[in-house]
Amino acid sequence: EPEVTQTPSHQVTQMGQEVILRCVPISNHLYFYWYRQILGQKVEFLVSFYNNEISEKSEIFDDQFSVERPDGSNFTLKIRSTKLEDSAMYFCASSRGLANEQFFGPGTRLTVL
Amino acid sequence: QKEVEQNSGPLSVPEGAIASLNCTYSDRGSQSFFWYRQYSGKSPELIMFIYSNGDKEDGRFTAQLNKASQYVSLLIRDSQPSDSATYLCAVKIPAGNQFYFGTGTSLTVIP
Repeated sequence: EPEVTQTPSHQVTQMGQEVILRCVPISNHLYFYWYRQILGQKVEFLVSFYNNEISEKSEIFDDQFSVERPDGSNFTLKIRSTKLEDSAMYFCASSRGLANEQFFGPGTRLTVL
Repeated sequence: QKEVEQNSGPLSVPEGAIASLNCTYSDRGSQSFFWYRQYSGKSPELIMFIYSNGDKEDGRFTAQLNKASQYVSLLIRDSQPSDSATYLCAVKIPAGNQFYFGTGTSLTVIP
């Protein structure tokens, strides 16, 4: 069964460093998403991406964040200058269509020291 | 503010019993509703989705939607210890394509 994959599973970085989180969505899906979940808190939407552009973003997704689909399979989230409060699980998700269910990857645990 | 509310629990039920999980949402225009299961340290796993008022059954799971009351629930029949997890309610509003998640209800099934 096709699934969303994410790398790395765990990323440790120093405050102020740049990180890139990678995702490979399900191959026939057209919509891609990034969510984050701070430990013990709810899953929060960051950004959605369709047709090679951002279609929606939340207040969390400020200028420190960017997304890219550099080729036909990868979907990346970049955090330019990490802060302590960026420590969280970051989930990538994809869906076939706008109204369809989203399937989540296993997540990347980001730890900012 | 688009809110999705869930009772955080913990909810404990004995093995074999019915577990009932509830969710309310604030945006009356919401059209799509999803239940995810999340084990500790893992990603959300889709259990069911429902779009229309009424009940939708899939195996041991039944989702119930009442748009007039802005209420969606998940029933788990014949609960098993492996059902012990946090259950997340997610709502999609018509405008935009993001999901709004509740904080989740922690369920423990006692053998």
